[in-house]
Amino acid sequence: DAGVIQSPRHEVTEMGQEVTLRCKPISGHNSLFWYRQTMMRGLELLIYFNNNVPIDDSGMPEDRFSAKMPNASFSTLKIQPSEPRDSAVYFCATDRADTDTQYFGPGTRLTVL
Amino acid sequence: QKEVEQNSGPLSVPEGAIASLNCTYSDRGSQSFFWYRQYSGKSPELIMSIYSNGDKEDGRFTAQLNKASQYVSLLIRDSQPSDSATYLCAVMKGGNQFYFGTGTSLTVIP
Repeated sequence: DAGVIQSPRHEVTEMGQEVTLRCKPISGHNSLFWYRQTMMRGLELLIYFNNNVPIDDSGMPEDRFSAKMPNASFSTLKIQPSEPRDSAVYFCATDRADTDTQYFGPGTRLTVL
Repeated sequence: QKEVEQNSGPLSVPEGAIASLNCTYSDRGSQSFFWYRQYSGKSPELIMSIYSNGDKEDGRFTAQLNKASQYVSLLIRDSQPSDSATYLCAVMKGGNQFYFGTGTSLTVIP
């Protein structure tokens, strides 16, 4: 299995631009998590989906952030408009229904200038 | 109060020594506990999970859980330079709510 796939791996954009991060989960994994990692705040859960349905988005910082999972093979995290404080590494992680083991993707390093 | 607290370190130990990493959590209702290892520039990877009080051993790693004290620890025996990384403690509450600590940086000195 290829593992969790994220794209792009690096994104540099200017303040005010829209940013879309993408994630392809491991086949057969029915839970998907979006995290943000910064030095100051560590790894923070933004939102998670179970069977493509958003279950808890209380970690989404504000309305500028949105996430979708249109099918079992794909999820997006969108930031519109982006701000410099959004600069971080964004991880997608997935797991199966019968385990608590999360498998993390390689992450997207976002820099907003 | 943070859900999960860890000493950020850095923690340095000589090769072959025991490294001890500690973590406390705030919610007594937390159900599952995990240790992840994260190498610089890489993604976290699970090394241990523990669900009940006591010790759980896996090779050179031992996880310890004390729910009464709301305390989780990870011991690494015979530390190797390849163990140098940041170790993240994670707690799962009901319904897949995961909370991570900010991590402890470990350096094993050859």
